Amino acid sequence: GNSVTQMQGQVTLSEEEFLFINCTYSTTGYPTLFWYVQYPGEGPQLLLKVTTANNKGSSRGFEATYDKGTTSFHLQKASVQESDSAVYYCVLSSSGSWQLIFGSGTQLTVMP
Amino acid sequence: ETAVFQTPNYHVTQVGNEVSFNCKQTLGHDTMYWYKQDSKKLLKIMFSYNNKQLIVNETVPRRFSPQSSDKAHLNLRIKSVEPEDSAVYLCASSKGTISNERLFFGHGTKLSVL
Repeated sequence: GNSVTQMQGQVTLSEEEFLFINCTYSTTGYPTLFWYVQYPGEGPQLLLKVTTANNKGSSRGFEATYDKGTTSFHLQKASVQESDSAVYYCVLSSSGSWQLIFGSGTQLTVMP
Repeated sequence: ETAVFQTPNYHVTQVGNEVSFNCKQTLGHDTMYWYKQDSKKLLKIMFSYNNKQLIVNETVPRRFSPQSSDKAHLNLRIKSVEPEDSAVYLCASSKGTISNERLFFGHGTKLSVL
C-alpha cells in the first residue's frame, strides 16, 4: 500500500538556523509529492509540489527534492524565521488511488 | 485568503446527540472533501464528493454522512456522536477529481464531545 513516514514529531530551532525535516514514502504507483503547512488556527495550505522524479520544488525559501532512489522528499530551509512556526505535512498522491496520504506531521517551533 | 468557509468554528455537545457542520467553497471547484484531524494532528480523509461520485473511506463509521445541495456546499452530519469523534473536522476542495491536485482547506470545526 501507500504510506508516508515523518519520524520527527517536533523540531525546535532558533531564528536563522537550518531546517531539515525528514520524509520517506512508499508506493506501488507513480507518486506526486507535496509539503503542506498548517499555521495555528488555520487549515493546511500547499507549500510546494513535485511531480517528476529527481526534480526540486521550492517556495518561500523552502526546498524539497523528490528522490526516487531513496524514496525521500525531505524539506529544507536555509534560515528559519519565527513566522515559520507551524505543522508541516509530507503528503503522497499515487496514481490509481483517490486518496492523499498525509504523514504524521512535524511541529516546527522557531524561537526568536 | 480563505475561499473555503466552515461553520461553526467550535461545537460542544454530549454523547448521543446529532451534529451538523457546514462547508461552502467559492472557488468554483468540482470536488469537496472532509478530513478528520485528531489531537495529535493526524489527518485522515473521510469523504471525497463531486456531482458524480461519493467516495467513502472504509474506516469511517456509518454515523457520519456527507450532505450536498450543490457543488459549492458539502455538509457533514454525525448522527449520534461518540467521545472518539472529538477532533477538528476540515473541509477542503480541489478543481478536479484526480488526487494529485492542490487542496484548499477551510479553517476547521473543532468538535468536543462530553
